[in-house]
Amino acid sequence: AQSVAQPEDQVNVAEGNPLTVKCTYSVSGNPYLFWYVQYPNRGLQFLLKYITGDNLVKGSYGFEAEFNKSQTSFHLKKPSALVSDSALYFCAVTPHADTGFQKLVFGTGTRLLVSP
Amino acid sequence: DSGVTQTPKHLITATGQRVTLRCSPRSGDLSVYWYQQSLDQGLQFLIQYYNGEERAKGNILERFSAQQFPDLHSELNLSSLELGDSALYFCASTTGRRGNTDTQYFGPGTRLTVL
Repeated sequence: AQSVAQPEDQVNVAEGNPLTVKCTYSVSGNPYLFWYVQYPNRGLQFLLKYITGDNLVKGSYGFEAEFNKSQTSFHLKKPSALVSDSALYFCAVTPHADTGFQKLVFGTGTRLLVSP
Repeated sequence: DSGVTQTPKHLITATGQRVTLRCSPRSGDLSVYWYQQSLDQGLQFLIQYYNGEERAKGNILERFSAQQFPDLHSELNLSSLELGDSALYFCASTTGRRGNTDTQYFGPGTRLTVL
């Protein structure tokens, strides 16, 4: 069965510093990987996804993520954090198998707190 | 704004009651997914519809049911409500034409409170 681990409940970073939100996954075969962000009282917003190709994926709002197959990781990064990046971040995985049903399995979420 | 709409935003009801949550997918999307988000269970997949037909079921209780109509909007029906059903309910939509590479776009959610 597929699963996602986000080992940190909360990440604290000062504005202007680089940030990393960690994600590791477990799936049969090759994965498709996604990052979403959730602001208070809002739905999940898509940030980026890894399908194939370049291991470094660039997404919305200056975020990027690096796919590392050997470490089964897909960490989210941003070179310079903004206070407005403070939110709840979810990593999700689905296997390559095309069943017509995209079973996204989400991690438990990591709260990012960026201080001024 | 993802283009996915959900109504109502908030719903407060009593145990034993029945409610209906509505979702309109993005224009052109054929597939709708329903999720439940609660503090103890996290984000759980409930059910998926594609072009009016049920495609997959997840951790959906028998008291819950859903359907997708010809205009592609979807409704999630929750009956015999219990306190533990209090949660945020999201729907997401995809084109349904790109398999597992599709991106799910989420609506703003309906917050259900059962008293």
